[in-house]
Amino acid sequence: EIVMTQSPATLSVSLGERATLSCRASQSVGWDLAWYQQKPGQAPRLLIYGAYIRATGIPARFSGSGSGTEFTLSISSLQSEDFAVYYCHQSSNWRFTFGPGTKVDI
Amino acid sequence: QVQVMQSGSEVKKSGSSVKVSCKASGGTFISYAIIWVRQAPGQGLEWVGGIIPMLGTTKYAQTLEGRVTITADASMDSSWMELTSLRSDDSAVYYCARAPPGRREPHYWGQGTLVSVSS
Repeated sequence: EIVMTQSPATLSVSLGERATLSCRASQSVGWDLAWYQQKPGQAPRLLIYGAYIRATGIPARFSGSGSGTEFTLSISSLQSEDFAVYYCHQSSNWRFTFGPGTKVDI
Repeated sequence: QVQVMQSGSEVKKSGSSVKVSCKASGGTFISYAIIWVRQAPGQGLEWVGGIIPMLGTTKYAQTLEGRVTITADASMDSSWMELTSLRSDDSAVYYCARAPPGRREPHYWGQGTLVSVSS
């Protein structure tokens, strides 16, 4: 099983600041990496897939980068609606796994 | 417009089984992968398994293999996830999600189904 780790566990930022979230895979997943945002009581929302492709309707302030085992999600200027938990997810084979999440708070 | 709708909450006894349904409308159902994910209270996301109706292929999380069965009926645009021998740590919100053609990651998510297991 591919193990996904995320850092930091919690990221405290201010409105308008840039946030950088990291995700690491225990073995290469190529570009089969997605990022999800989840708010309390809601289903996850797809932000990025294929490591860097923004999903439909996702603002340009969200960007993804990386390949292989190291990935980054950047939020260029945090808005109030961006405070949430962010999960990375690998789908390189049919044994999918999620990272433990990074909570972005004020 | 893709819509994913799931069945309602369930309360079950330890040792029993639960079957959660999911209807994914919009596009050609058989071409898409359906993925099931669960989330225990206050915890992260855990992949349960998935099915590709066109291929009849199913895959399951190793931790649940032997207790989980995922099925689909393309004529009904529907999928089901059955979990047997329920334990208290199976209490979670179970999500059904769909991937677009050629992709495996979930793009469109259902609202979630709360499964509560009591002794």
